[in-house]
Amino acid sequence: DAKTTQPPSMDCAEGRAANLPCNHSTISGNEYVYWYRQIHSQGPQYIIHGLKNNETNEMASLIITEDRKSSTLILPHATLRDTAVYYCSVVNAGGTSYGKLTFGQGTILTVHP
Amino acid sequence: DTAVSQTPKYLVTQMGNDKSIKCEQNLGHDTMYWYKQDSKKFLKIMFSYNNKELIINETVPNRFSPKSPDKAHLNLHINSLELGDSAVYFCASSQASALRYNEQFFGPGTRLTVL
Repeated sequence: DAKTTQPPSMDCAEGRAANLPCNHSTISGNEYVYWYRQIHSQGPQYIIHGLKNNETNEMASLIITEDRKSSTLILPHATLRDTAVYYCSVVNAGGTSYGKLTFGQGTILTVHP
Repeated sequence: DTAVSQTPKYLVTQMGNDKSIKCEQNLGHDTMYWYKQDSKKFLKIMFSYNNKELIINETVPNRFSPKSPDKAHLNLHINSLELGDSAVYFCASSQASALRYNEQFFGPGTRLTVL
């Protein structure tokens, strides 16, 4: 699976959009980008995933560059409850790699009033 | 209702002891996982079961033995505990399909401390 690189920390004002970047320059054609977050002392929570098209759900939007070497998770209106560690993971959705999520150190997002 | 539950939440024990962690999910999923999160917050998969069959078995000491009595339960037994086993262990579940495998629901974690 491709390795990912994320900034260690970011700040965001409440009500503003939080844009969290992830680099995955070695991603291969059949690998998906998954985003999870972990609020303090809780288990990770699935947010969104994508292959090459931009995706949106009730939690966030995912923008994947055309060359697929990087992506950005967007929380459109961040709240204090969005303060968490955000993990980007690249996974082959088929074959023997299914289910093998691996998270690096992620980005600590702090939303302040 | 709790989707994925783990017991106990905290486990403090002496080196050399044997301990078990239990996991249950009520989401109707057919695949369950065990992950280990170390002190640096890296999360790595250890095992996965699909319909009681072991499908992922990463490089884990054989002191760790998962057991799945049915598809709603996945337990983790650890023999001869070592200091390096101290970590937070997460159970997760998902539905088996090409994409749904990676939409995993995690339990609250079990913080294991080996003294």
